[in-house]
Amino acid sequence: GENVEQHPSTLSVQEGDSAVIKCTYSDSASNYFPWYKQELGKRPQLIIDIRSNVGEKKDQRIAVTLNKTAKHFSLHITETQPEDSAVYFCAASNNAGNMLTFGGGTRLMVKP
Amino acid sequence: DSGVTQTPKHLITATGQRVTLRCSPRSGDLSVYWYQQSLDQGLQFLIQYYNGEERAKGNILERFSAQQFPDLHSELNLSSLELGDSALYFCASSASAGQYEQYFGPGTRLTVT
Repeated sequence: GENVEQHPSTLSVQEGDSAVIKCTYSDSASNYFPWYKQELGKRPQLIIDIRSNVGEKKDQRIAVTLNKTAKHFSLHITETQPEDSAVYFCAASNNAGNMLTFGGGTRLMVKP
Repeated sequence: DSGVTQTPKHLITATGQRVTLRCSPRSGDLSVYWYQQSLDQGLQFLIQYYNGEERAKGNILERFSAQQFPDLHSELNLSSLELGDSALYFCASSASAGQYEQYFGPGTRLTVT
């Protein structure tokens, strides 16, 4: 089955800096890669996703890149703000309507 | 608010007991997924139902079972509870075949004492 590795497990940045979180996956059949943000005690919230026919996708301060050959994808947050502090999870799926396999999570701390 | 609802929000029970967690998907969504989130295991897929039928099984223990009813709400039954079953249980829903995005409910925090 699919295995998703996520790094780093914790990341501390200064407000205004950029943050990058990286994930690798094992199943070459995976074709959908969402990112979720989870604040303490809250539900995982879908913030951005990318499908395998696209190399990059951007939504305001958040961008995701995908390298299918290397089987890795990354989340980029620019101009970080204290409210970006949360745990971020990457995930992979091999088809629409199929289960998600999650990475272990990254705790992002943005210092004011 | 994702539109997915879960009850109860918190559940405290003793070892050996049985509990039922309930999930209502977003209006019109046919698929329901159950995930378990514990401190040391991250988010783990348990089971998926699509329009009333079991579609996929993940790392779900035999003591756990689920079903999806004709109105599309789903229940996760956990029996013979152990301390290690303490976790957050999330359900998520997606629209139909061809829909990738999954939206999570607020979760049920289960504490087994």
